[in-house]
Amino acid sequence: DAGVTQSPTHLIKTRGQQVTLRCSPKSGHDTVSWYQQALGQGPQFIFQYYEEEERQRGNFPDRFSGHQFPNYSSELNVNALLLGDSALYLCASSAGTERGYTFGSGTRLTVV
Amino acid sequence: GEDVEQSLFLSVREGDSSVINCTYTDSSSTYLYWYKQEPGAGLQLLTYIFSNMDMKQDQRLTVLLNKKDKHLSLRIADTQTGDSAIYFCAESTLSGTALIFGKGTTLSVSS
Repeated sequence: DAGVTQSPTHLIKTRGQQVTLRCSPKSGHDTVSWYQQALGQGPQFIFQYYEEEERQRGNFPDRFSGHQFPNYSSELNVNALLLGDSALYLCASSAGTERGYTFGSGTRLTVV
Repeated sequence: GEDVEQSLFLSVREGDSSVINCTYTDSSSTYLYWYKQEPGAGLQLLTYIFSNMDMKQDQRLTVLLNKKDKHLSLRIADTQTGDSAIYFCAESTLSGTALIFGKGTTLSVSS
């Protein structure tokens, strides 16, 4: 049973560019959350999607947006990249009957 | 506001017990979690505890919760070198909503 799959695993972007990260949730999971983990820090909640709607949002600017598709997969988009956006971006999925989240291995984004 | 604090480092010898501590500020926390992160990897859920419980045991792992002091601990019995990783404490106020993480405790196990 595949867990949470994220793509790409690594990418390098230039300041000011836009990036799209993708996530496929664990089979049977319908809720997807995105987290940003800066080096040496704990993950910070960006937002959560359920039934294709943004259900909850953390303290991130509007440059961060997302989408959830009918098959429950999700995308995270970041516009006008800043050097400070360099981080590991983690996707986590869950189902209403389970406790906790299943995390993917993340996408390492480097902004130069 | 919400905040989760952890000590940054813990070093133990193989075979000893490890105790990782965490404090949180949100009295409405409903679930408290422990996650493990190995180098270059995502987060692995180790265990969680509901706020109306004092203790939970799962094989080598024991979680203790002192709700009055808002203190959570994770005890790993018979620590092995494979347990070397970063351990994160996290809280949520309702199941399925945002997790608030601490900065993580780096556990180093020497043989």
